[in-house]
Amino acid sequence: KNQVEQSPQSLIILEGKNCTLQCNYTVSPFSNLRWYKQDTGRGPVSLTIMTFSENTKSNGRYTATLDADTKQSSLHITASQLSDSASYICVTWGGGADGLTFGKGTHLIIQP
Amino acid sequence: DSGVTQTPKHLITATGQRVTLRCSPRSGDLSVYWYQQSLDQGLQFLIQYYNGEERAKGNILERFSAQQFPDLHSELNLSSLELGDSALYFCASSPRPMNTEAFFGQGTRLTVV
Repeated sequence: KNQVEQSPQSLIILEGKNCTLQCNYTVSPFSNLRWYKQDTGRGPVSLTIMTFSENTKSNGRYTATLDADTKQSSLHITASQLSDSASYICVTWGGGADGLTFGKGTHLIIQP
Repeated sequence: DSGVTQTPKHLITATGQRVTLRCSPRSGDLSVYWYQQSLDQGLQFLIQYYNGEERAKGNILERFSAQQFPDLHSELNLSSLELGDSALYFCASSPRPMNTEAFFGQGTRLTVV
């Protein structure tokens, strides 16, 4: 069964600090992996999308890495801001017609 | 603003009732996806339509159904509602199925009382 596991489940850091969120997946075959940011009660917004041949991709202060061999991805946030407080969801697509597999997300809280 | 419009934003209804959620995809997007997000749960894929036809089906209950119309808007019908159906229902759209970024609407919050 395709699964996406994220850790930690929740994280609290001080404004200005860096943090790294983890994602492990068992999806096979694997086509691409996406990180979404979801503010409370709102729809997810895409941060990055990576295919199996890409190792890293950045979007401003967000940098995602992917190791297709170990089936792990991480999302690194630098110089955190209060607006980074949200859930960060790791999503994989196996290339088939059976939809995306979503992790449960990491709930990140940035404290002033 | 993702360009995906969902109505209504909030819906409160009683058990046993039927409701219809509506989604207008981004201009030019042919794929529409429906997701359910229960409290403290991850997004669960329900169903996908591509250019009017059902393309993929996920964990959608038999009490739920959907369709995509010729103008590409989609409706999700939920019937015989139960308390456990209370959730956020998201619609997403993309130009092509799956291999491109999906853009999410703001969701419809359904509360069944």
